[in-house]
Amino acid sequence: EVQLVESGGGLVQPGRSLRLSCAASGFTFDDYAMHWVRQAPGKGLEWVSGISWNSGSIGYADSVKGRFTISRDNAKNSLYLQMNSLRAEDTALYYCAKGRGYSGYDDIDYWGQGTLVTVSS
Amino acid sequence: DIQMTQSPSSLSASVGDRVTITCRASQGISNYLAWFQQKPGKAPKSLIYAASSLQSGVPSKFSGSGSGTDFTLTISSLQPEDFATYYCQQYNSYPQTFGQGTKLEIK
Repeated sequence: EVQLVESGGGLVQPGRSLRLSCAASGFTFDDYAMHWVRQAPGKGLEWVSGISWNSGSIGYADSVKGRFTISRDNAKNSLYLQMNSLRAEDTALYYCAKGRGYSGYDDIDYWGQGTLVTVSS
Repeated sequence: DIQMTQSPSSLSASVGDRVTITCRASQGISNYLAWFQQKPGKAPKSLIYAASSLQSGVPSKFSGSGSGTDFTLTISSLQPEDFATYYCQQYNSYPQTFGQGTKLEIK
């Protein structure tokens, strides 16, 4: 059974940093791309970033480019999102999600339960 | 970036009805289109990928079609558990983008 467990969310002041983690199990982690998707309270889904199986292909939403960095550690079956210069509009539930393929240019087939990030002074 | 526009934004229907949700891409995306279902307080769930392929375990009452810029999700014989919000997503190119969602409510 695929399991994706996010952690690292919390309350942070504007301009500060936070690092999200996602622990994956139930599949061969280094065979698949991974993604982060967020959902602001009461709003729709927003794709944040994706990374291919070997970190060779990475993409970001325009809203986070230059501030967020996605990475993965295949030896630890873990996905990360380093979030710098946080803004109030980054407040959201952040989902870790598994890609259906290895490239990152594929859809999402499994989702974690999310970790909440609140940016406020 | 590719913009995804869903219509309608909300939809009221009755148990047993058949409904169709439309998703339009601002440029051609071949068949790189997925559909997700989300219930309140829950993570999204994959329904359809490659425009018309059913995710494993998803009932055949859900079907998708389309290619290029215009896509549809059809749900037949609505049951109470089908009332949720539905999202389309293009994965043809980065950044991947979602539609704004369609909230399906009980009439």
